[in-house]
Amino acid sequence: ETGVTQSPTHLIKTRGQQVTLRCSSQSGHNTVSWYQQALGQGPQFIFQYYREEENGRGNFPPRFSGLQFPNYSSELNVNALELDDSALYLCASSFSGGVYEQYFGPGTRLTVT
Amino acid sequence: QKEVEQNSGPLSVPEGAIASLNCTYSDRGSQSFFWYRQYSGKSPELIMFIYSNGDKEDGRFTAQLNKASQYVSLLIRDSQPSDSATYLCALGGGYQKVTFGTGTKLQVIP
Repeated sequence: ETGVTQSPTHLIKTRGQQVTLRCSSQSGHNTVSWYQQALGQGPQFIFQYYREEENGRGNFPPRFSGLQFPNYSSELNVNALELDDSALYLCASSFSGGVYEQYFGPGTRLTVT
Repeated sequence: QKEVEQNSGPLSVPEGAIASLNCTYSDRGSQSFFWYRQYSGKSPELIMFIYSNGDKEDGRFTAQLNKASQYVSLLIRDSQPSDSATYLCALGGGYQKVTFGTGTKLQVIP
């Protein structure tokens, strides 16, 4: 167990809807990164939050957005859901002052129908 | 060329043998390298990280890095059936962005 928690565990949404996923980082960590993992693929970097600001973004459209709160927890919001958004969404926490080891939460399985 | 290349496998080894997992990468500027283990339906678990050329050992695991040849490998000694999983190679870049390969599926046969 890494101490990173995510909610909900599973989610089913309809195309066009909006979804919010939540993540609580490991104690002592101040940076949260979000990844999307499609079946049979490696995780793909969505974006990272540090000090409540977006601190790097992967190749994802603006309908993917996020927040980080003063307690370092984070949200991932996805608008106008598409079928291809069906995936495992992973949150990883790390400490910016050290090296880059990132520790993942259990993930949220999103299914878009 | 993909940023991180791994053979998807499956790599099958008998119990007690050494499993050798390999990964090549394209970005010569990469500074940090990670191996994650992912069981089916679970999230990735960090098992090794390495930053300098050479070998790094932790229990039954040894990570090997050769920056000149742009490859990183993971050796698992005395492989156990519980080691059966997908092993993800990953590189650290700017903003702590981590780029993953697609993973190698390892099967340890009892």
